[in-house]
Amino acid sequence: NAGVTQTPKFRVLKTGQSMTLLCAQDMNHEYMYWYRQDPGMGLRLIHYSVGEGTTAKGEVPDGYNVSRLKKQNFLLGLESAAPSQTSVYFCASSPAGGPHTRREQFFGPGTRLTVL
Amino acid sequence: AQSVTQLDSQVPVFEEAPVELRCNYSSSVSVYLFWYVQYPNQGLQLLLKYLSGSTLVKGINGFEAEFNKSQTSFHLRKPSVHISDTAEYFCAVTKDYKLSFGAGTTVTVRA
Repeated sequence: NAGVTQTPKFRVLKTGQSMTLLCAQDMNHEYMYWYRQDPGMGLRLIHYSVGEGTTAKGEVPDGYNVSRLKKQNFLLGLESAAPSQTSVYFCASSPAGGPHTRREQFFGPGTRLTVL
Repeated sequence: AQSVTQLDSQVPVFEEAPVELRCNYSSSVSVYLFWYVQYPNQGLQLLLKYLSGSTLVKGINGFEAEFNKSQTSFHLRKPSVHISDTAEYFCAVTKDYKLSFGAGTTVTVRA
């Protein structure tokens, strides 16, 4: 049971390049999330998904797109990277079910992205 | 909208001394509260959570937190810290299935 995994761990992009970050979870969780972490700002929600085939915007969605074609995977895309997107990106998942279990999230190890 | 305020951005502390990390939340949010820890170059790990019931919550690694509804606070404490507790600590609240995080408190434990 690997939990939540993220690929790649590190990436350097030039301005204007595109890339996709992959998140995979093997816990059969319904909900999945993408966050970015910047110094002094905690984690901010980019997009999230409440089930296969669904996505929704979070707090800071501009410049990102997501897809959830399979329940276990949640992809985050940058179509035209900008230096402001330099950050550490975390994926998380949480189970559905009763109200208590819905609210605990399990995090991946993060992807460190630098945009030059 | 929910908000979380962590009142200290940096907390230096000596080994074996107690530590308290302060967290306040806005009263408009649902009272599901969490503390997460992030060790250097790692992802976030759940320390403890308050969902309901007893206001004193015990977590992993000797940490505990107290939910105070009247003061809208959820402060984290440990009576005696170790070098290995050096990390960044995040307070978070949830509404529905979305987490809102504080800015984080960096704890540096010195020998």
